[in-house]
Amino acid sequence: GQNIDQPTEMTATEGAIVQINCTYQTSGFNGLFWYQQHAGEAPTFLSYNVLDGLEEKGRFSSFLSRSKGYSYLLLKELQMKDSASYLCARRSSYKLIFGSGTRLLVRP
Amino acid sequence: GAGVSQSPSNKVTEKGKDVELRCDPISGHTALYWYRQSLGQGLEFLIYFQGNSAPDKSGLPSDRFSAERTGGSVSTLTIQRTQQEDSAVYLCASSPLIGGAVNNEQFFGPGTRLTVL
Repeated sequence: GQNIDQPTEMTATEGAIVQINCTYQTSGFNGLFWYQQHAGEAPTFLSYNVLDGLEEKGRFSSFLSRSKGYSYLLLKELQMKDSASYLCARRSSYKLIFGSGTRLLVRP
Repeated sequence: GAGVSQSPSNKVTEKGKDVELRCDPISGHTALYWYRQSLGQGLEFLIYFQGNSAPDKSGLPSDRFSAERTGGSVSTLTIQRTQQEDSAVYLCASSPLIGGAVNNEQFFGPGTRLTVL
């Protein structure tokens, strides 16, 4: 949706590391969010980046490069419960513009 | 409960009927948002409320869609003369107003799954 691109689906192994990339249109940019959404549930907030660099929060980290219009979400020590959709969203004024989400499948 | 609540959780209606979807934001949250999520798609912004006013209605797909918010709290999204393409999950989110600027994180409700037959 609306010039935010992320892979449709990814598969990874329990205990491994996975990086989910997101590219976005830079005009009107005002922050980059990552949300996690399990099937049939509401999205839950993971991270927010407004400045360049890496933000680490436990097993999850998020990176932003404003000049490149690029972000990634890094998940370490994958667990089966991490199987979910991961939504990249850029903030434009007060609203969030979401990508279509990346469905992550974690296998034993 | 401390979270955003929405009702009903599921709604099945016939084409041409009107529906009302309700959102109860987190108490004290000034900003309220409606999004729509079609099967396998990302969230699509519909409308944003600041207090009781809606400074951004740009995402409403047609004039069949309207929303209001009363008392700076509960919001209702109304879809008139529903069509099959309106079938989706309608999500509501709220966020606080801190220091004169809307805070960053939006807290989502569980959504209303609308099916138009």
